[in-house]
Amino acid sequence: DAGVIQSPRHEVTEMGQEVTLRCKPISGHNSLFWYRQTMMRGLELLIYFNNNVPIDDSGMPEDRFSAKMPNASFSTLKIQPSEPRDSAVYFCASSPSGGGVTEAFFGQGTRLTVV
Amino acid sequence: SQQGEEDPQALSIQEGENATMNCSYKTSINNLQWYRQNSGRGLVHLILIRSNEREKHSGRLRVTLDTSKKSSSLLITASRAADTASYFCATADTGRRALTFGSGTRLQVQP
Repeated sequence: DAGVIQSPRHEVTEMGQEVTLRCKPISGHNSLFWYRQTMMRGLELLIYFNNNVPIDDSGMPEDRFSAKMPNASFSTLKIQPSEPRDSAVYFCASSPSGGGVTEAFFGQGTRLTVV
Repeated sequence: SQQGEEDPQALSIQEGENATMNCSYKTSINNLQWYRQNSGRGLVHLILIRSNEREKHSGRLRVTLDTSKKSSSLLITASRAADTASYFCATADTGRRALTFGSGTRLQVQP
């Protein structure tokens, strides 16, 4: 398996624009996680899906952020409108079960810069 | 919010020396995991220790867990330049099925 695949790897956008980050989890994994990493706040869990259903979205910063998982092989994280403080590296991870029970497999991340 | 705090924040050693990193956490856990992150890359799982285990080994890695003190340590023996990376502890809290990560330790191994 190619592992967790994220796209794009880098995104530079202007404030106010919509940004969509994409993730393809490892086939057969039923849990998917979106994390955000910044120097100031470290790694923060944004949202967690189990069997395509959002289980915990308490980490989503505000209504500008939304995430979907229309099927077991694809998820998106959308920011609309984007702001400079959203600049961060966004990671998608998947796990064969709840990531807290077994290990999580991370993608390479999307580095988002909002100018 | 972050669960754990790691100590030290940064560590610089010579190749061949041992590196020890510590992690403290706040809640009850099912297990604790350690991950490595090379610069510009995603996190890679290293080792998992369950709450009823006290010590675990994997190659040059040794992890200890003290649930009474809510702390863990990661020891890398005979370090190599390729071990240069950031190391994070992550806890699987009881009642929550997503990992909470610590702040990380930046390890620099000088050749």
